[in-house]
Amino acid sequence: EADIYQTPRYLVIGTGKKITLECSQTMGHDKMYWYQQDPGMELHLIHYSYGVNSTEKGDLSSESTVSRIRTEHFPLTLESARPSHTSQYLCASSVGDEQFFGPGTRLTVL
Amino acid sequence: QKEVEQDPGPLSVPEGAIVSLNCTYSNSAFQYFMWYRQYSRKGPELLMYTYSSGNKEDGRFTAQVDKSSKYISLFIRDSQPSDSATYLCALKTSYDKVIFGPGTSLSVIP
Repeated sequence: EADIYQTPRYLVIGTGKKITLECSQTMGHDKMYWYQQDPGMELHLIHYSYGVNSTEKGDLSSESTVSRIRTEHFPLTLESARPSHTSQYLCASSVGDEQFFGPGTRLTVL
Repeated sequence: QKEVEQDPGPLSVPEGAIVSLNCTYSNSAFQYFMWYRQYSRKGPELLMYTYSSGNKEDGRFTAQVDKSSKYISLFIRDSQPSDSATYLCALKTSYDKVIFGPGTSLSVIP
C-alpha cells in the first residue's frame, strides 16, 4: 500500500471558512498532484508540483492555492469555501509514470 | 469532444464472468496507457500499464491497446466479488500530460 496520507478524510464546513487539506507522502517522490473527483466525472488536475518551491496550476480552474516547502508535504488551501467547492479531493505523488493516490478528502461546504 | 471517453456503467456481472472494460480517445499524442482500480472510499491504484499496441497479461487481467483505432480495453477473467470497484483508464503523452477517464463502476455478484 502506498504511503501517502490525507487529512481530514471528511470535512463539513460553512460558507466563507478558510480550510487547508493536508497531504503527506513518505516515499520521497518529487512530483505531487491534487485532483478533484466528482461522481461519474473524470479526475481533474487542479495543482501539481515537480519539487520543493515548484507549484503549477492544472487544467481545471481552481480558487485554491498550494505550497511545497518540503518534499513530503503538499497542502491545499481554500481561503473562502463556497458550496461549489463541494467535492472529493485526491492527492497523489509519482515516480515514473505511476501515480500513488491518497484516500481522498470528502469536502462538503454548506 | 472529450479527450477520453469511458462508459460509466454501472456494470453488473455474475461471479466467474469475463468482463470487458473500454476507453476510446481522440488524441494520437497519447503514448502510455494505464488502468487504475478504485475501491469505494479509497484512492485509485495502478493495475496495468502498457505503452505499445497489443496485449499485456497479468494474472486474470489483460490490457489491450489498439492505437490505430484509438481504443483500449481491460479484460478480467474469472471475475471475483473482490473485483467490484471503479476502473479508470488513464492516458499519458510523452510530455507528462495524464488524462483520466471518468471510470466504469463494476459489481461482481456472488
